[in-house]
This record gives sequence, C-alpha cells and structure tokens, in this order.
Amino acid sequence: DIQMTQSPSSLSASVGDRVIITCRASQSISSHLNWYQQKPGKAPKFLIYAASSLQRGVPSRFSGSGSGTDFTLSISGLQPEDFATYYCQQSYSTPYTFGQGTKLEIK
Amino acid sequence: EVQLLESGGGLVQPGGSLRLSCAASGFTFSNYAMSWVRQAPGKGLEWVSSISSGGSTYYADSVKGRFTISRDNSKNTVYVQMSSLRAEDTAVYYCANSRITGTTGEDFDYWGQGTLVTVSS
Repeated sequence: DIQMTQSPSSLSASVGDRVIITCRASQSISSHLNWYQQKPGKAPKFLIYAASSLQRGVPSRFSGSGSGTDFTLSISGLQPEDFATYYCQQSYSTPYTFGQGTKLEIK
Repeated sequence: EVQLLESGGGLVQPGGSLRLSCAASGFTFSNYAMSWVRQAPGKGLEWVSSISSGGSTYYADSVKGRFTISRDNSKNTVYVQMSSLRAEDTAVYYCANSRITGTTGEDFDYWGQGTLVTVSS
C-alpha cells in the first residue's frame, strides 16, 4: 500500500497569512494526488485534483503543486472560513489512501 | 444540484450485519463511479470501497470479504452490505461520486452527509 504522510499535523496561522501543507507519498504517484478540506461535523470538500488543478468553485487562493512523491497545498491570504482540517489522498492505485490530516487553526 | 443521501446506519452488535444505502440525484448516476469512505470518531479518512460505472468493484483490505458494494442504476442508489462487523468498523460512512465519468472511483467529488455506524455490544 502507498503511505501518505502530511506535515505538519497541526498549524496555527492568522487571517491573511500564507500557509503551506506538505504531503509525501511512500512511492511515486506521478500527479495522482488530491486535496480535501473538512470542517468539524461536515463532510469533506474536494479542493484540488491531479496535484494542481482547482476543483470548480474553489477560490484561487488555494493552489497545489508537486509530482512524484512530494506535494504541497498552499493557501494565500487566509480567510476565516479556511480554518479546517486538510487531507491529501493518492488516486494512483488501490487502496486509495489518505494522509493523516493537517489541522489549520487560528492563531 | 448534486445530492447524495446516505441511510441505514445505526447500532449493531459485533458480528452483525448492516446495509447502507446512498441515494443520488442531480447527475447521470449510471455514468459515474461511486465510493464509500469512512471516518472513525476523531480520526482521519479511510477509503472503504468503490464501484465503477461498469460494475467493477474495489475494496480496502480491512473490509475485503466482509463488505460488498453494489449499485442499482434504476434507483440511482449505491449500497454497501456490511457483515461480520467489528468494533473497529465504527465510523461515519460517507458515499461520494467520482469527479469524471469512466473512472474506477479513485477520487471523491460530491459527498453525502454521512451515516453513523456503531458496532458495540
């Protein structure tokens, strides 16, 4: 199975900041990497597919990059609604595995 | 508007069975792969199973042989039949559709609100 490791596990930031969350795969997954946002008590929301493509309706302050084993999710100009938990997920092969999550909290 | 509505969750004893349903609307259901993803209380997301538009099925090792995913395109509904349930199967179960047609369910576009399955005596 492909292991997905996110860092950091938690992160404190202020409104207006730029943050970067990293995700590392245990083997190369090309660009088969997706990102999701989850708020407490809610279903996840699909943010980015194929490592860098924004899903419909996702604000342009979100961006993704990377290929192979190393990926990043960047959020520029943090907004209050961005404080949530973020998960990466590899779509290269079954079992489709998620990272453990990164909780983004307000400083 | 895409809507996914799960049902069928509840309390079940270890070793018991349960069938979850997910009724879909707002898209051409038969063209899209569908998946189940679960989240244990306070934990992260875990992919459980997917079914392609053509009916091919895929399972996580943790549920293989115990869970069966199926779909009824006439009812726009995907199911997961869960048997030999264990305490570690306790979770909120979400259904999700794939982002594009013709895939095996490797990504999760729209999600339902989830249904809680609790396995306990």
